[in-house]
Amino acid sequence: GAGVSQTPSNKVTEKGKYVELRCDPISGHTALYWYRQSLGQGPEFLIYFQGTGAADDSGLPNDRFFAVRPEGSVSTLKIQRTERGDSAVYLCASSPLVGGAGELFFGEGSRLTVL
Amino acid sequence: GNSVTQMEGPVTLSEEAFLTINCTYTATGYPSLFWYVQYPGEGLQLLLKATKADDKGSNKGFEATYRKETTSFHLEKGSVQVSDSAVYFCALERGAQKLVFGQGTRLTINP
Repeated sequence: GAGVSQTPSNKVTEKGKYVELRCDPISGHTALYWYRQSLGQGPEFLIYFQGTGAADDSGLPNDRFFAVRPEGSVSTLKIQRTERGDSAVYLCASSPLVGGAGELFFGEGSRLTVL
Repeated sequence: GNSVTQMEGPVTLSEEAFLTINCTYTATGYPSLFWYVQYPGEGLQLLLKATKADDKGSNKGFEATYRKETTSFHLEKGSVQVSDSAVYFCALERGAQKLVFGQGTRLTINP
């Protein structure tokens, strides 16, 4: 597709379950970012990849959160033992370059609800 | 640390009114500044940006000037349209395009 694609668009799960959220960036974009947006707040940085490696994971809230990008394209955000406080919209963005105040291209997000 | 504070919403205006959405920031150094917009049912998209002091970013009739003295990046438009109804986010870059966002301002324009 032409834009950043995120699946699922909505996910409802129970407390304690495991969740995977997928991001398919724009073809050729080497940088990929995950953000989390809680209700009424702006997005908060979680992690970013340059190619296959996580260049900065300083925004991950704890070790229940993990993300991978094994082939330098699609990325998966994994959340173990979900808690109600994990409920938010998880946003993925990609960019053709890193640095230099380039534009980030965002997907529509995956809305996670933990019951 | 780095932070962005935006004018609280929601903001409701009539078509053709003048718009200002205030944004101030706290940062070390002089980060690049951005306005992103989220239209209903769509992802965030870049509206405009400025990379250094006194730069003016502009797009779609919107403008914002990077003011180092007042650490501000207020968004303005001279005559808003119904199609401008959206949520607007001010943001700064803290390196490698990692953005720090404000809380967002919901704008509704009535015909």
